[in-house]
Amino acid sequence: EMVMTQSPATLSVSPGERATLSCRASQSVSSNLAWYQQKPGQTPRLLIYGASTRATGIPARFSGSGSGTEFTLTISSLQSEDFAVYYCQQYNHWPRITFGQGTRLEIK
Amino acid sequence: QVLLVQSGAEVKKPGASVTVSCKASGYTFTNYYIHWVRQAPGQGLEWMGIINTSSGSIGYAQKFQGRVTVTRDTSTSTVYMELTSLESEDTALYYCARRAVSGSGSPNWIDSWGQGTLVTVSS
Repeated sequence: EMVMTQSPATLSVSPGERATLSCRASQSVSSNLAWYQQKPGQTPRLLIYGASTRATGIPARFSGSGSGTEFTLTISSLQSEDFAVYYCQQYNHWPRITFGQGTRLEIK
Repeated sequence: QVLLVQSGAEVKKPGASVTVSCKASGYTFTNYYIHWVRQAPGQGLEWMGIINTSSGSIGYAQKFQGRVTVTRDTSTSTVYMELTSLESEDTALYYCARRAVSGSGSPNWIDSWGQGTLVTVSS
């Protein structure tokens, strides 16, 4: 069974600083990984797919990297609207997908 | 624009079943698969299953095998998710969501979500 593990569970960062979120897969997913942002009371929003491709309309301060089992989402200079919960999702084993448990990004 | 409109909130007793509907518009319904994802209060996202809206073929998460049934009605561009033998742990917001890429195969991320349907299971 595929397990996606995100760390840390909560990350406290000051506005303007860089945030680095991690996602680890229990087995290789190649580059078949997406990242989503979810704000309270809203549905998730696609940020990144293919591990590093930004979705339409996503600001350049969001970047994704990694392949295999280790992935990173970096937000280069945090804006107030970026504080939210972030989920990774693998899609390497068609048609099943698996989400990580999420990382809460909070204001320091 | 892509729109997924789900049915309203439900309150069910333990042991009962619930059916949630998801009506799609703004695109060619049979070109895109639909996922079902749930989110318990204060918790993360949990994948339940996927349906090929053209052929009707489905895939379910092992956790829900035997308890979930996903179907579609192409005449009304609507997908249905039935969950049986409800327990309190099934209390959650249930989302339908569109696979971003048409056709089958690996690209399987999500680009659009329904508004969610709250299912509450309580005696």
